[in-house]
Amino acid sequence: AQSVAQPEDQVNVAEGNPLTVKCTYSVSGNPYLFWYVQYPNRGLQFLLKYITGDNLVKGSYGFEAEFNKSQTSFHLKKPSALVSDSALYFCAVRDVDTGGFKTIFGAGTRLFVKA
Amino acid sequence: DADVTQTPRNRITKTGKRIMLECSQTKGHDRMYWYRQDPGLGLRLIYYSFDVKDINKGEISDGYSVSRQAQAKFSLSLESAIPNQTALYFCATSEGGSYSYEQYFGPGTRLTVT
Repeated sequence: AQSVAQPEDQVNVAEGNPLTVKCTYSVSGNPYLFWYVQYPNRGLQFLLKYITGDNLVKGSYGFEAEFNKSQTSFHLKKPSALVSDSALYFCAVRDVDTGGFKTIFGAGTRLFVKA
Repeated sequence: DADVTQTPRNRITKTGKRIMLECSQTKGHDRMYWYRQDPGLGLRLIYYSFDVKDINKGEISDGYSVSRQAQAKFSLSLESAIPNQTALYFCATSEGGSYSYEQYFGPGTRLTVT
């Protein structure tokens, strides 16, 4: 069965510092991995995805994520956090080989960036 | 996203009432989805549709029904609302043909059942 874990309910970081939001996954086959962000009173917005190829993927707003197959992780990172990055972040996975279309979302991690 | 719209944005209803949530999209996508979001649980899939004639249950479809009126429209109905259906509901779309495509979400409908 597919699953996604975001081990931190909340991450606090000072503006200008690097940030990491963690995600680990479990699938039977090969994963497609996604990060979405949700701002208050808005729907989820796509940030980036890993499908194949380079393990480091770059996305919107200066975010990047590193796919680590051996650790089954896909952590979201940004070198220098902005106050405007404060939001709810969701990791999501599709099991390409067995799950097809179905996307499993993590519970979300709330990021607070303090000025 | 203006490309995916949901109505109403907020709704308070009473137990036992029928309610319909509507979703429209201008992205031209074949695939549409309904999710509910509950604090600490992430998003859970209620129904999905790969085209007008293809509608499928998701992981939590009990108590819900859907209608795909056109490629651009996908409605979610609660035939007899109950308090534990209080949640934030999202419609989403994606391109067809590959499972690598990301989803585009509407702004959500906050539903309260009293």
